[in-house]
Amino acid sequence: AQSVAQPEDQVNVAEGNPLTVKCTYSVSGNPYLFWYVQYPNRGLQFLLKYITGDNLVKGSYGFEAEFNKSQTSFHLKKPSALVSDSALYFCAVRDEGYQKVTFGTGTKLQVIP
Amino acid sequence: NAGVTQTPKFRILKIGQSMTLQCTQDMNHNYMYWYRQDPGMGLKLIYYSVGAGITDKGEVPNGYNVSRSTTEDFPLRLELAAPSQTSVYFCASSYSGLAGGGETQYFGPGTRLLVL
Repeated sequence: AQSVAQPEDQVNVAEGNPLTVKCTYSVSGNPYLFWYVQYPNRGLQFLLKYITGDNLVKGSYGFEAEFNKSQTSFHLKKPSALVSDSALYFCAVRDEGYQKVTFGTGTKLQVIP
Repeated sequence: NAGVTQTPKFRILKIGQSMTLQCTQDMNHNYMYWYRQDPGMGLKLIYYSVGAGITDKGEVPNGYNVSRSTTEDFPLRLELAAPSQTSVYFCASSYSGLAGGGETQYFGPGTRLLVL
């Protein structure tokens, strides 16, 4: 079985400060990990993914995520938050033996001017 | 290249009515998905398809049906609408090729359904 957890319903950060949105996962085999962002009244948009290789993955809009196998985590980070980063962020996982992706419950990021 | 399109954007149904949510993609993706999004619950997979003529159940298939007669289209059918089906529905597609599981999903803009 596969599962993913986003322990924070909401994260508040001041504009210009670094941000972190947390994600942990559980799989039987090797994980494929994803981050998506959803702006109000829109569908989800892909940000970045980890398949294999370098543990630090860089994605769109200056976001990056670090794959940590020992802690089974894939936290999303950005060095300097923008007000326009305010949105709903979803972590997702797919076990290499599965056809389906499991999404987390989402974390609302609020960047305060 | 329109990506994934969904119609309608918004619909109000009465209990017991039926409707079809349309989804079309123009990226020649082999995989297509239907999700529902409820507040605080994330996305739940309803049905998915790995190619024309092949569909399978996701986590929450009860009350829904799908078909996939072409690569492009993946309609979702609600036969007897119930208040519990009030939700936002998203269609998505992906290409499963050499990535072997690391494929990116592309989402449509969603259909907001209210069952009264």
